Amino acid sequence: DVKVTQSSRYLVKRTGEKVFLECVQDMDHENMFWYRQDPGLGLRLIYFSYDVKMKEKGDIPEGYSVSREKKERFSLILESASTNQTSMYLCAIRDLNTGELFFGEGSRLTVL
Amino acid sequence: AQSVTQPDIHITVSEGASLELRCNYSYGATPYLFWYVQSPGQGLQLLLKYFSGDTLVQGIKGFEAEFKRSQSSFNLRKPSVHWSDAAEYFCAVGESNTNAGKSTFGDGTTLTVKP
Repeated sequence: DVKVTQSSRYLVKRTGEKVFLECVQDMDHENMFWYRQDPGLGLRLIYFSYDVKMKEKGDIPEGYSVSREKKERFSLILESASTNQTSMYLCAIRDLNTGELFFGEGSRLTVL
Repeated sequence: AQSVTQPDIHITVSEGASLELRCNYSYGATPYLFWYVQSPGQGLQLLLKYFSGDTLVQGIKGFEAEFKRSQSSFNLRKPSVHWSDAAEYFCAVGESNTNAGKSTFGDGTTLTVKP
């Protein structure tokens, strides 16, 4: 079974803090994604990566950056957290043959 | 750019009744199409997918969906709903012609099941 692990299920941070959200996969997949999920807005793509050190902006990259130094790990970084970044963050990997996404359990971030 | 519309924000059905959740998409090529389900407090799980072949696809938990190219639709159906089907359902379209294969999601439909 594919396993996507998000290291933090719940985080509470203060405005202006730097936040790291980590995602690790165990299946050697090239494509990894970060989405945020907000009620009534579905899932919106923040950043994605299709290879080590390769990254591309998604639909809502402002206020975020990412890092992919190793194939299995894809990190989402909030350089200076703001209250409007309070959300559920979902990491996913993609099966190249079918396009199916496999999701982690999510990281619920609250910024005070 | 691709997009997905789920016209129904919230649907309520009685247990045992049939269900249809609507999904319309916009994409230039033949799309990959997906339905995911998210139960309260859980992650997203794939229900079913279409990427080629038979336009009627079967999924887990008794769900099926039909790809209709002429209507740009991929509606999800179940003949008899169970209380455990109460969840949020997301339709998604995935790029079929790029290396990245980004998926775009609809806003979701919340299903409530009445006893």
